[in-house]
Amino acid sequence: GAVVSQHPSWVICKSGTSVKIECRSLDFQATTMFWYRQFPKQSLMLMATSNEGSKATYEQGVEKDKFLINHASLTLSTLTVTSAHPEDSSFYICSARPWDRGQVEPQHFGDGTRLSIL
Amino acid sequence: KQEVTQIPAALSVPEGENLVLNCSFTDSAIYNLQWFRQDPGKGLTSLLLIQSSQREQTSGRLNASLDKSSGRSTLYIAASQPGDSATYLCAVPPANQAGTALIFGKGTTLSVSS
Repeated sequence: GAVVSQHPSWVICKSGTSVKIECRSLDFQATTMFWYRQFPKQSLMLMATSNEGSKATYEQGVEKDKFLINHASLTLSTLTVTSAHPEDSSFYICSARPWDRGQVEPQHFGDGTRLSIL
Repeated sequence: KQEVTQIPAALSVPEGENLVLNCSFTDSAIYNLQWFRQDPGKGLTSLLLIQSSQREQTSGRLNASLDKSSGRSTLYIAASQPGDSATYLCAVPPANQAGTALIFGKGTTLSVSS
């Protein structure tokens, strides 16, 4: 089945550091990937839609200059949290769906990245 | 704007019991509905995907139903086991949109005791 790999799984770093998270589709191509954020005991909330070869689309309230998204190939999207602060600590999850399999294919999610900013 | 609600927020049952998790959504114009499982600190595992034209899907001890007109879905777990303990999430795409990001409920946290 379709697999989405997310790396790293856990990051602890100092305030002001920039952190890059990778999301890869291992056995399929994805023109679109999605980035979500999940705070404790809350549901997943969409942050942005990553589009291969073009600019990402951000949800209202998400700072595009702080959360940089690059979708340079059909199998890789990266999310960079720039100058991270403690309030950015959260669980970040990406998802993708094989572009050529229509609506019958469910979305596949990475295992998430736990980001802790000290 | 589509909203997804899951009831109950938490559920504790003894091993072997059958149980039902509920999901409701405000706009019935959806293309599909998906149920996920999330273990603590982990990502999501897709359990079942129901297309808008379907009324139910089954996988092993899991059965998900969909009633679009009433904006409801249920996830039925038969003969629950301690390994079923996790948070179960229901998600739908925005109304009248396909191939987009999903809108999630807050989930039901299930605890099955042995």
